[in-house]
Parts: sequence; structure tokens; C-alpha cells
Amino acid sequence: QSALTQPASVSGSPGQSITISCTGTSSDVGGYNYVSWYQQHPGKAPKLMIYEVSNRPSGVSNRFSGSKSGNTASLTISGLQAEDEADYYCSSYTSSVVFGGGTKLTVL
Amino acid sequence: EVQLVESGGGLVQPGRSLRLSCAASGFTFDDYAMHWVRQAPGKGLEWVSGISWNSGSIGYADSVKGRFTISRDNAKNSLYLQMNSLRAEDTALYYCAKDMLGRGITNWFDPWGQGTLVTVSS
Repeated sequence: QSALTQPASVSGSPGQSITISCTGTSSDVGGYNYVSWYQQHPGKAPKLMIYEVSNRPSGVSNRFSGSKSGNTASLTISGLQAEDEADYYCSSYTSSVVFGGGTKLTVL
Repeated sequence: EVQLVESGGGLVQPGRSLRLSCAASGFTFDDYAMHWVRQAPGKGLEWVSGISWNSGSIGYADSVKGRFTISRDNAKNSLYLQMNSLRAEDTALYYCAKDMLGRGITNWFDPWGQGTLVTVSS
């Protein structure tokens, strides 16, 4: 399974909304709802933000939302805050688990 | 509170072996699948292996298949990763992660441990 494709970086100002894309194929992202998103701050372990395309685990802010269209999944963060600055990874699962290359979010 | 504590990392020569352990607490260990995920210095996440609650379903990344073996001891609330024939490209921080769903393997990892560093170098 090949890695999923994410933009290397995105940026936004406080209060704005940003969207991070995650492109796979019909064999992974497009074919199943096993899409998840992780947030990782420098020097910290990753944290699950979205699972099953659009579900938020308990305790995750509703400013984070997920969606999917065809072979591309998206993570949207609304009302950007300084604490959202981090690396974000998407993931898909079919016969094995694959991650995207990661996207560095900068809050200007 | 769920806690995952990895151990066993260190400096090892290419071609040698190492065994990682993950001690779990704060949840019913044998109700959940478990995973190992690694992150090379300055790089992204790479799933290494996952194991279902009863070890009946096991998966490996192609990059470690045939060299690494995942196992678990439900009586000891522990997860293991036996790493053989180590290569320089296996150098990474190795995280233990609990599968959020339950007994089967998914890609919903929550939470993660803090990781143990493996360095493969002569």
C-alpha cells in the first residue's frame, strides 16, 4: 500500500478556517470509511482527532471536522487557534494501515 | 486513566535483534487490539504492526515483514515487538498504541504511549 498524499504545509490566521486534504485511491480512502486523522505537536505523541471519516473522539473540539469525497478525505479546522499549530497525519486501513506524509499547519 | 509505557529501545548494531515491550494499564487489555507505530527522526508516521485481542489477526508493514514479530501477553497486560535483522532504516521512535474500536484491528489509535527510541548503527 502506498502512502496517502497530503500537502506539506498549510497556514492560516487565527479565527480562520483551513482544510487539509488526503488523497488515496479507490482501494483505500475511496473504498472504505477507515479514515482517521492525527495531530502531533513537537516532541509529543500523536493524538487521534477524527476516526471513521468524520467522527470525533470524546474531548476533541468540535472545531475539528472530517469529510470524504471520492478518493480524497479532508480535515477542516475552523476558528483557528495558536494551539492548533502542529503536524497533522491522515490514515487509511484496508489490509494494512497506511499514513499520509503529514502536513505542517502554521498559525500566522 | 489509560497508560501505555514502552521500553526496550536502545543502540544496536545492524543485523542484531531487539525486543520492545509496552506495559498497559487503566483499561481491560484483552478487550482491545494493539499496534506499533514508528517515526524516524524528523519524518512522518509509519505503521509497523497490529495484533487483535486474542492474537488471531496480525498484520505487518511490508518494510518489516519477515523480520519483526508482534505478540501480546494478556495475563501480563503487555505488548511486544521482536525485531530481528535490524537495519539502519529501522532507526525510529517506536510508539505503542491502543486500538480505539475494540478487539479487531482498525486504524483508530487512541491513546499512544510516549515511545521508545531505537537506533541502529555500527
